[in-house]
Amino acid sequence: DSGVTQTPKHLITATGQRVTLRCSPRSGDLSVYWYQQSLDQGLQFLIQYYNGEERAKGNILERFSAQQFPDLHSELNLSSLELGDSALYFCASSSYNSPLHFGNGTRLTVT
Amino acid sequence: AQTVTQSQPEMSVQEAETVTLSCTYDTSESDYYLFWYKQPPSRQMILVIRQEAYKQQNATENRFSVNFQKAAKSFSLKISDSQLGDAAMYFCAYLSYNQGGKLIFGQGTELSVKP
Repeated sequence: DSGVTQTPKHLITATGQRVTLRCSPRSGDLSVYWYQQSLDQGLQFLIQYYNGEERAKGNILERFSAQQFPDLHSELNLSSLELGDSALYFCASSSYNSPLHFGNGTRLTVT
Repeated sequence: AQTVTQSQPEMSVQEAETVTLSCTYDTSESDYYLFWYKQPPSRQMILVIRQEAYKQQNATENRFSVNFQKAAKSFSLKISDSQLGDAAMYFCAYLSYNQGGKLIFGQGTELSVKP
């Protein structure tokens, strides 16, 4: 068990809809990362938060947004969903000088 | 920008044998970390081994060891005494703390273990 909790495990929704993915980092970890894993794109970095502040941004679409709350949990919001957004979304957390520990992912299916 | 390349999309090994997975990377930085992650069919991402670039000694974790060649920008993973449970997708990853701790992954190598 990595200590990183992601909910829900599975999500099925229709095109055009909006969903929220939630992540609770390991105890003590201040950094939270979001990654998208799709069949044809591999693991793509989306965004990182550190202690509530956005730290780094990757190939995150404008339809996607994220935030990290004072209790350090994070949410990834995906809106105006398209079929191509179907993927496994991972959250990971780390503290200074430590490797990233990943949650079990949320599998999003857009129909 | 940093890149990570895994040139072997698939590898196969006989149970109890040794296999080496290749990884090369490109960077202009001197301080960074390299990792191997394992993703079994359950799709979890499991950290296998970690190497700090400033350390010359190759990291080892039980049956897993790396061959880190900094000048050649090469970071291969050796799995000894392969077990059926080692079958998974293996990802090589680069971590630059100068870029906010963003982990950059290779494309992955699918390892199958034959009984």
